[in-house]
Amino acid sequence: DAMVIQNPRYQVTQFGKPVTLSCSQTLNHNVMYWYQQKSSQAPKLLFHYYDKDFNNEADTPDNFQSRRPNTSFCFLDIRSPGLGDAAMYLCATSRAIGTAEDNEQFFGPGTRLTVL
Amino acid sequence: DQQVKQNSPSLSVQEGRISILNCDYTNSMFDYFLWYKKYPAEGPTFLISISSIKDKNEDGRFTVFLNKSAKHLSLHIVPSQPGDSAVYFCAASRGWGKLQFGAGTQVVVTP
Repeated sequence: DAMVIQNPRYQVTQFGKPVTLSCSQTLNHNVMYWYQQKSSQAPKLLFHYYDKDFNNEADTPDNFQSRRPNTSFCFLDIRSPGLGDAAMYLCATSRAIGTAEDNEQFFGPGTRLTVL
Repeated sequence: DQQVKQNSPSLSVQEGRISILNCDYTNSMFDYFLWYKKYPAEGPTFLISISSIKDKNEDGRFTVFLNKSAKHLSLHIVPSQPGDSAVYFCAASRGWGKLQFGAGTQVVVTP
């Protein structure tokens, strides 16, 4: 089945220790997104890639970086995690920038990040 | 600035009855609206959508209503089933645009 896969599902890191979360997709979608979701809050968009074009949200902290080496993979790097970065990180994909219907996003299961 | 709001964090409904979830938005330029469903330990999954040119869209037990003048949409689930217990997110976009999500409503369907 075509899907969005995130690894690991649970990640524990120490305060200040860099961590990388990964996402892969078999849907062959052009657009990939990273969201941060904290408890009882709306998912917050951090970045998106349209193909290799990187788009950063204005309020995404510099501590967060992303890489998309090819169509299938996308990585989220947190350079120096703080306690406030503990959250669920969701990866999503969509077909293309085009019609409004292309806005349907397909989500992975998420990575729950704990910062000690 | 939260442009999409779900003011009810939780909803409890009896099995077989109607669930009504509400969502309000502030940006009149939004033209596409979606509902996502999320089970614990899973990512959100697309449920149903509606374009701003319509005021109703139906898919089986799920119906979404859009009231553009009130900037309000609602999701009706009839009849509610135990498997419908989940968090429901409302989302909106403008053309191709990023999705703006609400904070979600936890639905619990009781026997």
